[in-house]
Amino acid sequence: TQLLEQSPQFLSIQEGENLTVYCNSSSVFSSLQWYRQEPGEGPVLLVTVVTGGEVKKLKRLTFQFGDARKDSSLHITAAQPGDTGLYLCAGGRYGGATNKLIFGTGTLLAVQP
Amino acid sequence: DAMVIQNPRYQVTQFGKPVTLSCSQTLNHNVMYWYQQKSSQAPKLLFHYYDKDFNNEADTPDNFQSRRPNTSFCFLDIRSPGLGDAAMYLCATSRGYGSGQPQHFGDGTRLSIL
Repeated sequence: TQLLEQSPQFLSIQEGENLTVYCNSSSVFSSLQWYRQEPGEGPVLLVTVVTGGEVKKLKRLTFQFGDARKDSSLHITAAQPGDTGLYLCAGGRYGGATNKLIFGTGTLLAVQP
Repeated sequence: DAMVIQNPRYQVTQFGKPVTLSCSQTLNHNVMYWYQQKSSQAPKLLFHYYDKDFNNEADTPDNFQSRRPNTSFCFLDIRSPGLGDAAMYLCATSRGYGSGQPQHFGDGTRLSIL
């Protein structure tokens, strides 16, 4: 069974602080996606990384795919209240014939003003 | 804007009373998915369609059924809802199969069971 463990599970920080969310597995994934879900809404795709070691930046968010394609991290610089939400990583099956995503366990982030 | 629309946003039903949730998409995507999500947890895939080809997850209860009459619409039928079925139900689409393709989610239907 391919599992994606996220840490931390919950995070409450003050506006302006930096944070990192980790997404780890013992399995190799061909791609890794990060979604953010705000209360009462569906998940929204933030980024897709496909190459081992790849780094992508989206404004204050920096995403990295591990060299071995087993893990990923999301770093937020100077967090803002608008960053509050549930962050989900999701792995694409390597060589899989379908687009079933393996979702991580989720990280619930609260940024206090 | 092309999007995935779920109706209703909130649904209340009685224990054991059948309920249908609907999803429509204007993205013309081939694949549609139904997920169940409980509070602050990861979405759990129930089933998905590639066009009319239906794929059921092994651990999806028999109580849950789905229909996709055409490309744009997909329905989730819960035949006899139990208290444990109270959750957010998310519909998603993707252009096709293939690792790395993004899934586009609707805003969900929150189901409550009385």
